[in-house]
Amino acid sequence: GAVVSQHPSRVICKSGTSVKIECRSLDFQATTMFWYRQFPKKSLMLMATSNEGSKATYEQGVEKDKFLINHASLTLSTLTVTSAHPEDSSFYICSARGWQLTETQYFGPGTRLLVL
Amino acid sequence: QKEVEQDPGPLSVPEGAIVSLNCTYSNSAFQYFMWYRQYSRKGPELLMYTYSSGNKEDGRFTAQVDKSSKYISLFIRDSQPSDSATYLCAMRSRSGGYQKVTFGTGTKLQVIP
Repeated sequence: GAVVSQHPSRVICKSGTSVKIECRSLDFQATTMFWYRQFPKKSLMLMATSNEGSKATYEQGVEKDKFLINHASLTLSTLTVTSAHPEDSSFYICSARGWQLTETQYFGPGTRLLVL
Repeated sequence: QKEVEQDPGPLSVPEGAIVSLNCTYSNSAFQYFMWYRQYSRKGPELLMYTYSSGNKEDGRFTAQVDKSSKYISLFIRDSQPSDSATYLCAMRSRSGGYQKVTFGTGTKLQVIP
């Protein structure tokens, strides 16, 4: 149980375009979903936390207009990187947590974004 | 000082060895402790989850928490080449509805056949 999927697994796009990444909890209801960014040989950097049906809470330094997060249902959250630039190239990972506060997060397989 | 310190390694051991991975932390509010395994270009996979001091065992893996010393460990017995990965410790506090998880930087482990 506790499977989280991400789509696409990798994407290459031109500078200036927007990219949408989907995160789905397949076998549980995710009341909270998290979006992380990971640079090579670095730890996970939390970008934002989203609760189903409400606005996402962004971490300091993360541009909310650049990284649009939507958590429209208990099984789906999306991250849209708007007007992507080469410096946005990174590994983006989502995670999901169920309704019990003691439950931990389960991670998706990640999406590798390369902006040319 | 970082909230969570973890030696990045790399740590190379021969197959069959006992591996010890460690993290220290400074925030005494941390109550829940996790270990994740991350293979290259993949998302982290939850290995162990505990919220009390002492040991928790699951197969070849043992998680140890010492809250008085703010020190956690993950032991891997009879290590296998398939255990080669980066191991991330993670922890969070209990209070409040928004429970941000703090991750260590990860220790890269290589098990040599």
